[in-house]
This record gives sequence, C-alpha cells and structure tokens, in this order.
Amino acid sequence: KQEVTQIPAALSVPEGENLVLNCSFTDSAIYNLQWFRQDPGKGLTSLLLIQSSQREQTSGRLNASLDKSSGRSTLYIAASQPGDSATYLCAPTSNTGKLIFGQGTTLQVKP
Amino acid sequence: KAGVTQTPRYLIKTRGQQVTLSCSPISGHRSVSWYQQTPGQGLQFLFEYFSETQRNKGNFPGRFSGRQFSNSRSEMNVSTLELGDSALYLCASSAGQPITDTQYFGPGTRLTVL
Repeated sequence: KQEVTQIPAALSVPEGENLVLNCSFTDSAIYNLQWFRQDPGKGLTSLLLIQSSQREQTSGRLNASLDKSSGRSTLYIAASQPGDSATYLCAPTSNTGKLIFGQGTTLQVKP
Repeated sequence: KAGVTQTPRYLIKTRGQQVTLSCSPISGHRSVSWYQQTPGQGLQFLFEYFSETQRNKGNFPGRFSGRQFSNSRSEMNVSTLELGDSALYLCASSAGQPITDTQYFGPGTRLTVL
C-alpha cells in the first residue's frame, strides 16, 4: 500500500527565502507525481506534473524533482513571496490513476 | 477554457438524508475522479469514471455511489448520511488517462452533516 510522507508538516519563512519541500513515498511503481497547492477552504491547484521517466519539471519560480528509485520528490520554491502561503501537497499516481496524497506542508511566508 | 465546476458549493444535511453532488469537467476531458477531504484522514480517493464507466473505486462503503453522463458530467450520491461524512468533496478531471495526464481539481463542495 502506497504511503506518502511530507516533511516538514509546517514551515514559516521570511519573504525572499528559497525553500525546499520534501515528499517521500513507499512504492516506487508510480506513473507520475503531481504537486498541488491548496488555499484554506479551497480546491487544489495543480503546480507541476512529473512523469515517471522525467527527473524534474520547472514552472516559473517552482522546480520539482523526482527520484523514483529512492521514492523521493522535492519542490523547490525560489524567492518566496507572501502569496505563496498555502498548503502544498504531493501525490504520486498509482497504476490505476488514483492519486495518493500526503498530509501536506503548510507554508507561511511572512512579509 | 472554463475550469472544473462543482455544485453546490455548500450543503447542510441531517443524518439519514441523502445528497447528490455534481461535477462538470473541463471541456473535452473524459475522466472524472472524486476525492473526500477531512482533517483526520486527509484526501482519499472515492472513484473514477471514464466515458460513463466506473474504472476504479476506493475503500468507501456502498452508500457512496456515482455516475457519469455522456457529456462527461458526473454526479456523486451519498445515501443515509452519517456525521462522519462531513467533508470537502473534490472532483478532478483529466483529458484522458489519469495515469499520464494532469488532473485538475474543482473548488469542492463543503458538506456538513448535522
């Protein structure tokens, strides 16, 4: 059974810092991995999708890497801004297309 | 292109009642998945539909059911509501196979069971 762990559970940083969010998963037989952000009480916004054959994806200030063999993914946020404050969720996709979510990392960026 | 829409956005029901939630995927998307989000359990997969067929189902009791129409819109039904069914219900759509395609989520329906 796939289990996803995200570390840290919460993070508070001053504006402008570069930061790394970690995601680990127990079953390396995944098809892809998505990173999402969720604002309080809202739905999920897709940030990046990394196919299992890829090692990283970039979108603006975001960079996500994937090491399938070791069961790890990281999300790197450059030059953090207060608008980045949200909960970040990683979700590997199983062979049935089901997303398995971690508990998320809640990020607060202080002005 | 309009995103995934869900109706209603908020719902209050009492125990024992039943409820139907609706999800309209992004135009052209054929796969719709449903997830339940609670503070204790996090996000859990309910089921996935593709071209009107349920392809996958999560570990939820039979009180949770769904269907998909020919226009890809999907509905989820929960019968005999329990207090523990209070949650944010999210649907996601993808163009084809969720295995390879990005899944886009709607804003969710917040269900409160009293």
